[in-house]
Amino acid sequence: GNSVTQMEGPVTLSEEAFLTINCTYTATGYPSLFWYVQYPGEGLQLLLKATKADDKGSNKGFEATYRKETTSFHLEKGSVQVSDSAVYFCALSDRSTLTFGKGTMLLVSP
Amino acid sequence: EAGVAQSPRYKIIEKRQSVAFWCNPISGHATLYWYQQILGQGPKLLIQFQNNGVVDDSQLPKDRFSAERLKGVDSTLKIQPAKLEDSAVYLCASSLNSKNTGELFFGEGSRLTVL
Repeated sequence: GNSVTQMEGPVTLSEEAFLTINCTYTATGYPSLFWYVQYPGEGLQLLLKATKADDKGSNKGFEATYRKETTSFHLEKGSVQVSDSAVYFCALSDRSTLTFGKGTMLLVSP
Repeated sequence: EAGVAQSPRYKIIEKRQSVAFWCNPISGHATLYWYQQILGQGPKLLIQFQNNGVVDDSQLPKDRFSAERLKGVDSTLKIQPAKLEDSAVYLCASSLNSKNTGELFFGEGSRLTVL
């Protein structure tokens, strides 16, 4: 079946540091890939997506590239801010079900 | 545009009691989802509705969980009787239609603690 594996957290960074959160997936066919973010006290919200190989999703300074050869969709940001502190979920959709990873907590200190 | 509304935000019950959660999706969204998020894990789909019909309930523990969406708008998820392992956040989400799978709008969740 489909599965998503994310790096364990928490990831602790200082403001303006470079961020990478690794995500790999297992799926049959050609899934769409997503990053969702959950800020403290709020519901999950879509951060970015990519629907086919080599697509790059981007939003709010975050980027992720759909790498079919390595079955990965790593999340990156060049300079994190304190306000980016949240839990980040990688997910895939095979057009019938959205499957989430376990989430990675990001803590950014001033 | 109003988001997905859920209530109650928090609920504490004892095992073997019953509980119900309510969800009102974004207006016009045909597809509604209930997810269970246990602490430290990602959300797991319990049930998916398309209008008032069930599309997928394969992971719903039907001996104790039930859900309905009678008029194709708001939905109720019930647990009866609750077990300790049901302690989790219950997330409701909606999307415009099932073809938008993956682009979901989530509510803030209902946190259940079973003692």
